[in-house]
Amino acid sequence: AQSVTQPDIHITVSEGASLELRCNYSYGATPYLFWYVQSPGQGLQLLLKYFSGDTLVQGIKGFEAEFKRSQSSFNLRKPSVHWSDAAEYFCAVGRGDYKLSFGAGTTVTVRA
Amino acid sequence: DTAVSQTPKYLVTQMGNDKSIKCEQNLGHDTMYWYKQDSKKFLKIMFSYNNKELIINETVPNRFSPKSPDKAHLNLHINSLELGDSAVYFCASSPNSYEQYFGPGTRLTVT
Repeated sequence: AQSVTQPDIHITVSEGASLELRCNYSYGATPYLFWYVQSPGQGLQLLLKYFSGDTLVQGIKGFEAEFKRSQSSFNLRKPSVHWSDAAEYFCAVGRGDYKLSFGAGTTVTVRA
Repeated sequence: DTAVSQTPKYLVTQMGNDKSIKCEQNLGHDTMYWYKQDSKKFLKIMFSYNNKELIINETVPNRFSPKSPDKAHLNLHINSLELGDSAVYFCASSPNSYEQYFGPGTRLTVT
């Protein structure tokens, strides 16, 4: 069975600073990889996805993620965070069987 | 236009009652899902329908019954509500077998 690990439960970052959220997965083949963001009281919004090809993918809101097969990782980055980036971030992994496995989430707090 | 919508947004009810949550998507997707998000934000898939056929039915009490009248709608009916059913329920839809788009959620509180 596949699993998804987000090692950081909570990250605090200053506004304007860079952000990196970690995601590791265990799965035999190359999975479909996703990052979602959940703002307080909202649903999950798809930030970006990786299926194949270029291992650096660009998403919405200035986010990017890099797939590293050797490390089974798909880390999310943003060069300069805004106060509106404070939210819960979920990494998810799929293998094309209609099921997504979600990580436990990372809470991002942005301080002024 | 809201792509995946759910009603109601909030639902407060007493133990033992029966309630329904409705979901509609206007994306033309063939597959729809129900997820439960607990108080620790953990997301667990409950059901999935593809073209009105049930394709995923996880370990969920049979008090929960999904119904898909057409591929744009997926409703969730819950009988004999219990305190432990309190959670946020998300509907999602998918154009394929992997990426999913979520609705705004329904916060269910059972008292």
